[in-house]
Amino acid sequence: AQSVAQPEDQVNVAEGNPLTVKCTYSVSGNPYLFWYVQYPNRGLQFLLKYITGDNLVKGSYGFEAEFNKSQTSFHLKKPSALVSDSALYFCAVRRPNTDKLIFGTGTRLQVFP
Amino acid sequence: EPEVTQTPSHQVTQMGQEVILRCVPISNHLYFYWYRQILGQKVEFLVSFYNNEISEKSEIFDDQFSVERPDGSNFTLKIRSTKLEDSAMYFCASSERGQDTEAFFGQGTRLTVV
Repeated sequence: AQSVAQPEDQVNVAEGNPLTVKCTYSVSGNPYLFWYVQYPNRGLQFLLKYITGDNLVKGSYGFEAEFNKSQTSFHLKKPSALVSDSALYFCAVRRPNTDKLIFGTGTRLQVFP
Repeated sequence: EPEVTQTPSHQVTQMGQEVILRCVPISNHLYFYWYRQILGQKVEFLVSFYNNEISEKSEIFDDQFSVERPDGSNFTLKIRSTKLEDSAMYFCASSERGQDTEAFFGQGTRLTVV
């Protein structure tokens, strides 16, 4: 079965420290990889994607993500966390030639002052 | 910045009633989607729509559900004869192209079936 795993329900980080939100996937082929963020009472906002090329992709708000094909992972990172980064983060995967995004369960990021 | 808008933000309906959830996708986008998120569960794909027809649908999207693009701007999800288990947040999304392009999501409609 095709699936996306976000092993941590919550990640706590002090402001100014680096953060990592983990994502691994079990999807056949060479999928397209996405990260979305959800703030309270808001929709899902696109952060970044990996389609092909350089394994490190940069996105909105200073976030970046590293694709590792051998580990089938796509971890989200930021060098210096802000309190305003506190939100729910979703990893999503799309197989080529399909429209469907397969989402992980989400990781709540809490950044403390 | 263009955005996907959904109406209403919250709808309460009685079991067995029909509901129509409405969405205005981003104007130059060609692909449209509906997803749902039952409270505490994953965001799940329901259906994609391209060139005025369903492109792909999930096993959730049974005969109870239908989608329509009645004019050049709106995209609707109709649920006939709602059930308690249809209670969820429903997200509309659109993308410029398929597959390798990101989908932009609306803020969601919370459907409560009582």
